[in-house]
Amino acid sequence: GAGVSQSPSNKVTEKGKDVELRCDPISGHTALYWYRQSLGQGLEFLIYFQGNSAPDKSGLPSDRFSAERTGGSVSTLTIQRTQQEDSAVYLCASSPGDLSVTEAFFGQGTRLTVV
Amino acid sequence: AQSVSQHNHHVILSEAASLELGCNYSYGGTVNLFWYVQYPGQHLQLLLKYFSGDPLVKGIKGFEAEFIKSKFSFNLRKPSVQWSDTAEYFCAVNAWTGNQFYFGTGTSLTVIP
Repeated sequence: GAGVSQSPSNKVTEKGKDVELRCDPISGHTALYWYRQSLGQGLEFLIYFQGNSAPDKSGLPSDRFSAERTGGSVSTLTIQRTQQEDSAVYLCASSPGDLSVTEAFFGQGTRLTVV
Repeated sequence: AQSVSQHNHHVILSEAASLELGCNYSYGGTVNLFWYVQYPGQHLQLLLKYFSGDPLVKGIKGFEAEFIKSKFSFNLRKPSVQWSDTAEYFCAVNAWTGNQFYFGTGTSLTVIP
């Protein structure tokens, strides 16, 4: 596709349920980022994938959060046993690689509401 | 870890007013600096970026930003704002030592016609 695609665009789930959020990066982009955007909190870094390297998981807020990237392309962010404080917009971005010469391109996000 | 501070959380301006949004970062090494904009209902998109060279960079739609290394700042400016500039603005920093990419909390700009 022409840009970063995220699905679903909106997700309402009950507290305690698991959810999976999907990100399709721009074809050929080796770097993939997940962020969480909460009102008044800016963009909170969650996890970063670069090629075949081990991901940087330093931003994941708890062990209920995990992410994987299959085949160096599509990524799935999984939140287990969702809590109300998980409600936010989850943003995915991809980049061709070295940010010193390029930029990150963002998807539209998935708005997660935990009720 | 790096951090990025945007001190203006919400700015309201009349059309034709001048704009300056502050951005400060905490990282002692060489950095790449970005401003992203998020128009209502749209995804984040790049406004401008600084990698090296001239510390005054120009971006799209008449925006510019100045990198002042001694102040760890990368403030965004526009001499005359338009109603269509109403959006959320995010400053971001990336260190040359890696591809980690940190964002500020954002500044919401409302331009009144």
